[in-house]
Amino acid sequence: AQSVAQPEDQVKVAEGNPLTVKCTYSVSGNPYLFWYVQYPNRGLQFLLKYITGDNLVKGSYGFEAEFNKSQTSFHLKKPSALVSDSALYFCAVRDNSGNTPLVFGKGTRLSVIA
Amino acid sequence: DAGVIQSPRHEVTEMGQEVTLRCKPISGHDYLFWYRQTMMRGLELLIYFNNNVPIDDSGMPEDRFSAKMPNASFSTLKIQPSEPRDSAVYFCASSLGTSGPTDTQYFGPGTRLTVL
Repeated sequence: AQSVAQPEDQVKVAEGNPLTVKCTYSVSGNPYLFWYVQYPNRGLQFLLKYITGDNLVKGSYGFEAEFNKSQTSFHLKKPSALVSDSALYFCAVRDNSGNTPLVFGKGTRLSVIA
Repeated sequence: DAGVIQSPRHEVTEMGQEVTLRCKPISGHDYLFWYRQTMMRGLELLIYFNNNVPIDDSGMPEDRFSAKMPNASFSTLKIQPSEPRDSAVYFCASSLGTSGPTDTQYFGPGTRLTVL
């Protein structure tokens, strides 16, 4: 079975500071890992994903995530946060060995304070 | 492409009434997913289709829920009869496939359902 954990319900950072949103996962095989963002009253938007290759994945809006196999983590990062980054962030995982759907974490609410 | 289209965007109904939510996936996408989002339970996968065929409906909460995909460009999620605990935001998503570069899911704007 596959699962994903986002240990923080909420993260607060000051504008201009670096931000990190944490995600850990569990799969039986090799993982495909995703980050999505949800702005108020909107659907989820794809940010980035890891399939294979370089452990550092760059995505939309200046976000990046680092795949760490030994720690089974895929933390989302941005060097300098913007107030407009305030949103709900979801990590998701699936096993690459079969036709299994994505499993989403419970989400982390990011608040960037001016 | 206009993206995934859902209708209605908001639905308010009374307990016991039938509710039908609609979804048009992105053209050419072979997979369609229905999710439900609530504060208490987060984002839950209800059912997904491949080439119009239901593959996994284990997330459908009760027999009151049913989903169909009569063709590649249209799907419905029906609740009959509706109950207040069904109040949630229902999302539809679609993807090209479920492997490697093709499995990115694209979400619609959601339908906010309120059952009084």
